[in-house]
Amino acid sequence: EDQVTQSPEALRLQEGESSSLNCSYTVSGLRGLFWYRQDPGKGPEFLFTLYSAGEEKEKERLKATLTKKESFLHITAPKPEDSATYLCAVRRNAGNMLTFGGGTRLMVKP
Amino acid sequence: DTAVSQTPKYLVTQMGNDKSIKCEQNLGHDTMYWYKQDSKKFLKIMFSYNNKELIINETVPNRFSPKSPDKAHLNLHINSLELGDSAVYFCASSPAGDGYTFGSGTRLTVV
Repeated sequence: EDQVTQSPEALRLQEGESSSLNCSYTVSGLRGLFWYRQDPGKGPEFLFTLYSAGEEKEKERLKATLTKKESFLHITAPKPEDSATYLCAVRRNAGNMLTFGGGTRLMVKP
Repeated sequence: DTAVSQTPKYLVTQMGNDKSIKCEQNLGHDTMYWYKQDSKKFLKIMFSYNNKELIINETVPNRFSPKSPDKAHLNLHINSLELGDSAVYFCASSPAGDGYTFGSGTRLTVV
């Protein structure tokens, strides 16, 4: 069974204080690892897909990296508008369904 | 122009009732999904459906059933609602590859 574990569950940062979110996974044949952002009362919004170990992707203050066992979402100099829940998910080679982790709730204070 | 739209956004109903949630996507995606997000924010797959096959998560009670009148729609029917069914339900779609697009969710409250 595929498993995705995210840590920490919640993270409080001061504006400008860089940090990283962790996503550990166990999957039989990784087809892709996904990062999503979810704001309260809304559906998850797609951020990145990573396909193989060593791959990195960036978008504004966010950078996602992937190893064979985990992925990190690095947030550089965060702003209050980066406050949200960040979700990690994996897709295996067989099928289209995503298995999600429990998310990290990020709060950035001005 | 909303890519994946769900209705209603909020649904309050009594135990034992039967209800439906509608979902439509205008992205031309091949596959649609229903996910359930519980109070702890965990997203769990319920169904995956495309023109060829329906995949059901074995933990989903058979009171839940997806119905797809066409490629752009996947509705969720729930019979004999129970208190434990209270959650936020998300519809999503994806092309054959990857990249889910989610709807904004339907908050179901069973009283």
